Amino acid sequence: TQLLEQSPQFLSIQEGENLTVYCNSSSVFSSLQWYRQEPGEGPVLLVTVVTGGEVKKLKRLTFQFGDARKDSSLHITAAQPGDTGLYLCARNTGNQFYFGTGTSLTVIP
Amino acid sequence: DAGITQSPRHKVTETGTPVTLRCHQTENHRYMYWYRQDPGHGLRLIHYSYGVKDTDKGEVSDGYSVSRSKTEDFLLTLESATSSQTSVYFCAIRSAAGATDTQYFGPGTRLTVL
Repeated sequence: TQLLEQSPQFLSIQEGENLTVYCNSSSVFSSLQWYRQEPGEGPVLLVTVVTGGEVKKLKRLTFQFGDARKDSSLHITAAQPGDTGLYLCARNTGNQFYFGTGTSLTVIP
Repeated sequence: DAGITQSPRHKVTETGTPVTLRCHQTENHRYMYWYRQDPGHGLRLIHYSYGVKDTDKGEVSDGYSVSRSKTEDFLLTLESATSSQTSVYFCAIRSAAGATDTQYFGPGTRLTVL
């Protein structure tokens, strides 16, 4: 199985709060992608992580790849209403991509 | 923006009718994908193509067929639509080969089968 488990499934927070969402698997990834999807649109790539222990920052978003390359996290500092959306992690195996079920984030002004 | 368009954007049809969704890309990418997205299931791969007339099945291919007669167009056909195929359908392209290749998605087609 290529199952990617994301948690939490839903998250509602106030503007300015910090949050972390997780993506876990029982198998090792060669790489992992994070996407954000806004209502009515397709997912948009945020970042790709490749190396175990890797940390990448994208403004207020910090992405970490686990040392064993079986898990990843996304931390958002001082969340803004514009961060609202569905956050998806994904991995590719050969020609196919597998997506987690996502974390739906709502940031309340 | 990877130059991906989908048509139609919305469609309502009746059970048992054939439906064809079109994905069009302008950047000559070799790989194209069709996914469906349903609450609680995330994005699931239906079929993909790795070149003109070269296609393969994904995780949820039953009830769907695809065709790719030109590099720029990838068609998804529901031969006889069922209510379980009510979903949002996304087309995607693959940007590069190797461990860091990623996908770019079209805007989606919302299909309702009554």
